[in-house]
Amino acid sequence: RKEVEQDPGPFNVPEGATVAFNCTYSNSASQSFFWYRQDCRKEPKLLMSVYSSGNEDGRFTAQLNRASQYISLLIRDSKLSDSATYLCVVNRSPRGAGNMLTFGGGTRLMVKP
Amino acid sequence: DVKVTQSSRYLVKRTGEKVFLECVQDMDHENMFWYRQDPGLGLRLIYFSYDVKMKEKGDIPEGYSVSREKKERFSLILESASTNQTSMYLCASWGSGRDLRAPYEQYFGPGTRLTVT
Repeated sequence: RKEVEQDPGPFNVPEGATVAFNCTYSNSASQSFFWYRQDCRKEPKLLMSVYSSGNEDGRFTAQLNRASQYISLLIRDSKLSDSATYLCVVNRSPRGAGNMLTFGGGTRLMVKP
Repeated sequence: DVKVTQSSRYLVKRTGEKVFLECVQDMDHENMFWYRQDPGLGLRLIYFSYDVKMKEKGDIPEGYSVSREKKERFSLILESASTNQTSMYLCASWGSGRDLRAPYEQYFGPGTRLTVT
């Protein structure tokens, strides 16, 4: 079983739609979680961290469910510019110290006009 | 702004050649990483370094070595390139959480697409 699993997609949605991605992780001791965004032929960049209480950044909302070991990302009012691959990332460093990241395979989103 | 640069965007090498991939960061970060990215497999950690001359194996170190002689530079070496090392190679750096807005953000270089024929 992969340490971090994501549906590869692609998710094809119209502009303005709401879309949600889920990700599951296998190591229950994982301490911190992130969503990275990767545009086509570009490097990954941090989109947002994921906190236990849930957090929001504009149109983006991230949630963490430790009991079920899954992380979600919700994008509201999708824009064409949201088209990208979204990587679910887990910090596997002991006790959250350090920064050893495990990346999921990514979920591809395509927003259509 | 953090800047991570890699020596080449595209590289074509022959089987058996020795290959050097260079990475430089300008933020005085202690930690540097080398990943490879393949379709369906995501990013996988090859090696990392938490200080000058220090290195640790990641998840897939076989066939690779690294060098960190200066803090800003981290090199990945393929001693004898093979076709299964054809991949996108990404370097990243991290500065022990100095950026309070994003203490765990790893900053990536643009990647080197290596083809071994």
